[in-house]
Amino acid sequence: AQTVTQSQPEMSVQEAETVTLSCTYDTSESNYYLFWYKQPPSRQMILVIRQEAYKQQNATENRFSVNFQKAAKSFSLKISDSQLGDTAMYFCAFAPAIGGSQGNLIFGKGTKLSVKP
Amino acid sequence: GAVVSQHPSWVICKSGTSVKIECRSLDFQATTMFWYRQFPKQSLMLMATSNEGSKATYEQGVEKDKFLINHASLTLSTLTVTSAHPEDSSFYICSASRGGAAYNEQFFGPGTRLTVL
Repeated sequence: AQTVTQSQPEMSVQEAETVTLSCTYDTSESNYYLFWYKQPPSRQMILVIRQEAYKQQNATENRFSVNFQKAAKSFSLKISDSQLGDTAMYFCAFAPAIGGSQGNLIFGKGTKLSVKP
Repeated sequence: GAVVSQHPSWVICKSGTSVKIECRSLDFQATTMFWYRQFPKQSLMLMATSNEGSKATYEQGVEKDKFLINHASLTLSTLTVTSAHPEDSSFYICSASRGGAAYNEQFFGPGTRLTVL
């Protein structure tokens, strides 16, 4: 069974600074996708960034980038130039790319990020 | 684009009654829809996956006779909580995807808060 672990229940960062959220996962799958989702106070989940396991290059989306270490099964999210609007719960998620459960998201417990002015 | 709505946004019902929650993809055809449950300050847990016109696939431990899922069209899926009890109180979130593969992005609805008295 796959598991996703986020070891930081809460984090805070000053506006304009950089913060890194940690995520590790466990799987025996060889092909899969990893995601970071943001859940603001409105509760609507928003995809921040995703990484395909077979791609070695780390994904980036504007101020958001990941550090994907496949051998270590680590998938951290770096937020640069933090903005007040980044305040939210951040969930790391895993989805197998093949098999009967392909596409089914498995979420970590989340990290509550607070950006302080 | 890729907007998903849920109705109602919140509902309060008496123990023993049934509640139906609708999930609609407003601007795309959703071949696959997913239903999640989120307890307070916890992560999302996948309950079931439904493909249009097919029976839903339930995750282990989810009672299919209690949580009835119907995905009769490419834009609508419904979750009916039958004979609801206080322990069914939770935040229910749906997502919709153009396909069930992991590379098909899931677009999330805003969620429905169910309170059973």
